[in-house]
Amino acid sequence: DAMVIQNPRYQVTQFGKPVTLSCSQTLNHNVMYWYQQKSSQAPKLLFHYYDKDFNNEADTPDNFQSRRPNTSFCFLDIRSPGLGDAAMYLCATSLDRTSNQPQHFGDGTRLSIL
Amino acid sequence: AQSVTQLGSHVSVSEGALVLLRCNYSSSVPPYLFWYVQYPNQGLQLLLKYTTGATLVKGINGFEAEFKKSETSFHLTKPSAHMSDAAEYFCAVSASGYALNFGKGTSLLVTP
Repeated sequence: DAMVIQNPRYQVTQFGKPVTLSCSQTLNHNVMYWYQQKSSQAPKLLFHYYDKDFNNEADTPDNFQSRRPNTSFCFLDIRSPGLGDAAMYLCATSLDRTSNQPQHFGDGTRLSIL
Repeated sequence: AQSVTQLGSHVSVSEGALVLLRCNYSSSVPPYLFWYVQYPNQGLQLLLKYTTGATLVKGINGFEAEFKKSETSFHLTKPSAHMSDAAEYFCAVSASGYALNFGKGTSLLVTP
């Protein structure tokens, strides 16, 4: 089945130690998104790639970066994680950026900060 | 700007009872509306979507939703709740490109 896969499912890192989360997709979608979801809250969009074009949301902290080396893979880098960055990180894809296209989500990576 | 409001952060129903989760939207242009379900420690799964055409939309797992422009609503229903329906449900609106604006979510509890 075509899908969005996130690895690892659970990640523990130390305060200030860089961490990378990964996402891959077999849907061959043009757009890949990263969301942050804190406990009992709605997902919050951090940024997205439309093909190789990176689009950052205005309120995304500089601490968060992303890379998309090819169509299938996208990475979320947190340069110096703080305690407030503990959250579920969701990767999603869509065929393109039109409003009627649904987004397809992976199962997420739950990040804990020690 | 487009937004959705989900009425009721927690809804509890008995197994076999009607499920009704409320969502109202605000949009200056014709909206596209989505319902997603999230099970514990999992990502969001698309239940159904309204884009254009028929206002009664059928989704997966027996859920459906009706788009009512006059009431700016897109409520989610299921005739008979099952224990496996217990989850977090998010309504979302998209009207200006890629951005999905989510509601705050409704946690559905199903009791035996």
